[in-house]
Amino acid sequence: GAVVSQHPSWVICKSGTSVKIECRSLDFQATTMFWYRQFPKQSLMLMATSNEGSKATYEQGVEKDKFLINHASLTLSTLTVTSAHPEDSSFYICSAYGPNTNEKLFFGSGTQLSVL
Amino acid sequence: KQEVTQIPAALSVPEGENLVLNCSFTDSAIYNLQWFRQDPGKGLTSLLLIQSSQREQTSGRLNASLDKSSGRSTLYIAASQPGDSATYLCAVGASGSRLTFGEGTQLTVNP
Repeated sequence: GAVVSQHPSWVICKSGTSVKIECRSLDFQATTMFWYRQFPKQSLMLMATSNEGSKATYEQGVEKDKFLINHASLTLSTLTVTSAHPEDSSFYICSAYGPNTNEKLFFGSGTQLSVL
Repeated sequence: KQEVTQIPAALSVPEGENLVLNCSFTDSAIYNLQWFRQDPGKGLTSLLLIQSSQREQTSGRLNASLDKSSGRSTLYIAASQPGDSATYLCAVGASGSRLTFGEGTQLTVNP
């Protein structure tokens, strides 16, 4: 199956700093990528949808100026958590699909963010 | 707004037992339904994908059914093994591959 690489797998940062998470499709062109957030023992909540070369579409209640998403190429999307606060601590997961993935979504391995 | 519910929230069974996980959704106008497996602190692995026009899919010891009219899906796991221990997530797909996830069933298979 297709592979999506997400980096880093975990990060600890101080409150007020920014953190960038990368999501790469290794063997397919990802025309669309999704970013999710998952709190402990809860389900995945969609944060935003990004199409290559376009601005991301954010879900209601997600601050676009706080969670900056860039999808500048067909193999890379980044999520930057700006001015992180402890309440931003969560598990962030990306997923991707493209014209050759037979409508299946492929997920990254996730990033555990802890803001001190 | 689509809502997805999974029952039970947690399940513990002895090795070898057959088991059923349940998923229900409120809006039957779905594009597809997927079952995923998530191991602690990890991403998701797709298990089965059922298109809206299909009624079931099978892969090895796994069988997933879909009854769109009643808003239900089940995941059947035959002859469970300790390696099956994980959280199983049901996700309903809309157009554009947007998924709405349930909260998952945490499965523990005891040796």
